[in-house]
Amino acid sequence: NAGVTQTPKFRVLKTGQSMTLLCAQDMNHEYMYWYRQDPGMGLRLIHYSVGEGTTAKGEVPDGYNVSRLKKQNFLLGLESAAPSQTSVYFCASSLGVNTEAFFGQGTRLTVV
Amino acid sequence: AQSVAQPEDQVNVAEGNPLTVKCTYSVSGNPYLFWYVQYPNRGLQFLLKYITGDNLVKGSYGFEAEFNKSQTSFHLKKPSALVSDSALYFCAVRDGWSGNTPLVFGKGTRLSVIA
Repeated sequence: NAGVTQTPKFRVLKTGQSMTLLCAQDMNHEYMYWYRQDPGMGLRLIHYSVGEGTTAKGEVPDGYNVSRLKKQNFLLGLESAAPSQTSVYFCASSLGVNTEAFFGQGTRLTVV
Repeated sequence: AQSVAQPEDQVNVAEGNPLTVKCTYSVSGNPYLFWYVQYPNRGLQFLLKYITGDNLVKGSYGFEAEFNKSQTSFHLKKPSALVSDSALYFCAVRDGWSGNTPLVFGKGTRLSVIA
């Protein structure tokens, strides 16, 4: 049982490049989330999904897009990367909004 | 609106001593409160939660937290700290009246247990 798997684990991008981060969960969870973690800022919610085919904006959605075409996958896209998007990105999933969230191991992204 | 504050960036405690990591919150409705722990280069792991019921909640690894409505606090505690408890701890809250709105996390408190 893999839980929540994030791909890739590390990436270096040049300013203006695009990329997609993939999150996959095998727990049949309805809710999925993308967070970014920055020193001194804690975890900030980028986008989330309450079910297949749905997405919603979180606290810091600008510069990111998401899709949830399949229940088990939640993709985070950066269309034109900026240095301010250098961060560690975490995906998480939960069965319900008040149940325990399971986190992936993170993706360390550097934009130069 | 919902928010959570962890007033201490760093907590240092000697092994064997009790530890407390502080958390205060603000919500319009009913608070649903969570604690997570993050070890180096790992994702967050769930420790415990308060939804309703007994104000003292017991969780994983011997941790517990006490919900105090009058002080709007949810401090994390452990009677006897271990070196292996050294990690980054996050408090999180959501407003039970806010529909599907996800958790809001605090900035984290780094716990260092010294042998």
